[in-house]
Amino acid sequence: RKEVEQDPGPFNVPEGATVAFNCTYSNSASQSFFWYRQDCRKEPKLLMSVYSSGNEDGRFTAQLNRASQYISLLIRDSKLSDSATYLCVVNGVDSSYKLIFGSGTRLLVRP
Amino acid sequence: GAVVSQHPSWVICKSGTSVKIECRSLDFQATTMFWYRQFPKQSLMLMATSNEGSKATYEQGVEKDKFLINHASLTLSTLTVTSAHPEDSSFYICSARRVGSTDTQYFGPGTRLTVL
Repeated sequence: RKEVEQDPGPFNVPEGATVAFNCTYSNSASQSFFWYRQDCRKEPKLLMSVYSSGNEDGRFTAQLNRASQYISLLIRDSKLSDSATYLCVVNGVDSSYKLIFGSGTRLLVRP
Repeated sequence: GAVVSQHPSWVICKSGTSVKIECRSLDFQATTMFWYRQFPKQSLMLMATSNEGSKATYEQGVEKDKFLINHASLTLSTLTVTSAHPEDSSFYICSARRVGSTDTQYFGPGTRLTVL
């Protein structure tokens, strides 16, 4: 089983739609969770950290369910510029500060 | 935000040659840097953790003699792909953990390596 699993998509949605991505992680001892965005042939960029209480940043809302080992990302009012691959990332549980990346979910927002 | 640079941004080399990729943290000190590899349509795979002043820690399946890592200062780590083969062609990305931060890593723009 992969340490971080995501639906690869693609999710093809019209502009203005609301779309949700899910992610599960296997190690219950994980402490830090993130969503990164990666554009084609570019490096990943931090979109937001995910906190236990859930957090929102503009049109983006992230939630964490520790009991189910499940992380979600909700994007409201999708823009064309949101088209990218969204990576679910979990920290390694040793003291090495390693990050474990999911394989990513591809989002395509159409006009 | 913190800036991490990589050089070169792309390189094409012949099979059997060695290629050195530099990763620099431009405006902060990084005791730990990470090297990732990403093949097309796949996610980032951690290759090794580079620690300033000590030996790198390699992930399982990554040959330390083929992928030489040097982290001689708090702002520079290098990855040398020795005796490169076409299957080493990939997107190599480094990240740096800022001293004093928790889990935030800042990524370089990546180096695209093509081995002919």
